[in-house]
Amino acid sequence: KNQVEQSPQSLIILEGKNCTLQCNYTVSPFSNLRWYKQDTGRGPVSLTIMTFSENTKSNGRYTATLDADTKQSSLHITASQLSDSASYICVVSVSGGSQGNLIFGKGTKLSVKP
Amino acid sequence: GAGVSQTPSNKVTEKGKYVELRCDPISGHTALYWYRQSLGQGPEFLIYFQGTGAADDSGLPNDRFFAVRPEGSVSTLKIQRTERGDSAVYLCASSLSSMNTEAFFGQGTRLTVV
Repeated sequence: KNQVEQSPQSLIILEGKNCTLQCNYTVSPFSNLRWYKQDTGRGPVSLTIMTFSENTKSNGRYTATLDADTKQSSLHITASQLSDSASYICVVSVSGGSQGNLIFGKGTKLSVKP
Repeated sequence: GAGVSQTPSNKVTEKGKYVELRCDPISGHTALYWYRQSLGQGPEFLIYFQGTGAADDSGLPNDRFFAVRPEGSVSTLKIQRTERGDSAVYLCASSLSSMNTEAFFGQGTRLTVV
């Protein structure tokens, strides 16, 4: 069964600190992996998209890594800001078959405190 | 418009009633997706359109749910005989074409069935 598991479920850090969110997946055949940021009451916004051949991708203070062998990804946030408080969702898309099938994780809820 | 627009933003309806949720995708985006998100969960796939046709409707939970996209642009998600368990945020996303391109989400419609 295609699944995306994220950890931790929630995380509280102090402003200015770094943090790393984890994503493990059992999706086949794999097409790409995305990280989304979802603020409360809003739709998800894409942070990064990585294909099979990409190991790392950065978007400002956000850096995503992908290990396609172990089927793991991480999202590292550097020098956190209060505005980083949100849910971060890992999404893996399935190659072939029915297009448009994005498998969502349940997200990690990050709270950045002053 | 500049982004994906969903209307209404909030909808409260009585159990057993019929509701329609509307999604205006980004102009030129041929792919359109509907998701349902319950509190504390990641989005759950419902249906995916490529142009006017439903390429994958395997996520629709039962025959009370139906979606159309008659002109390949605006889409309407229709729910008949609503039940309290249908209460959730319904998210719409669109992308240029294939699943390897970025999907842009709307703000969602919060449906509450009382």
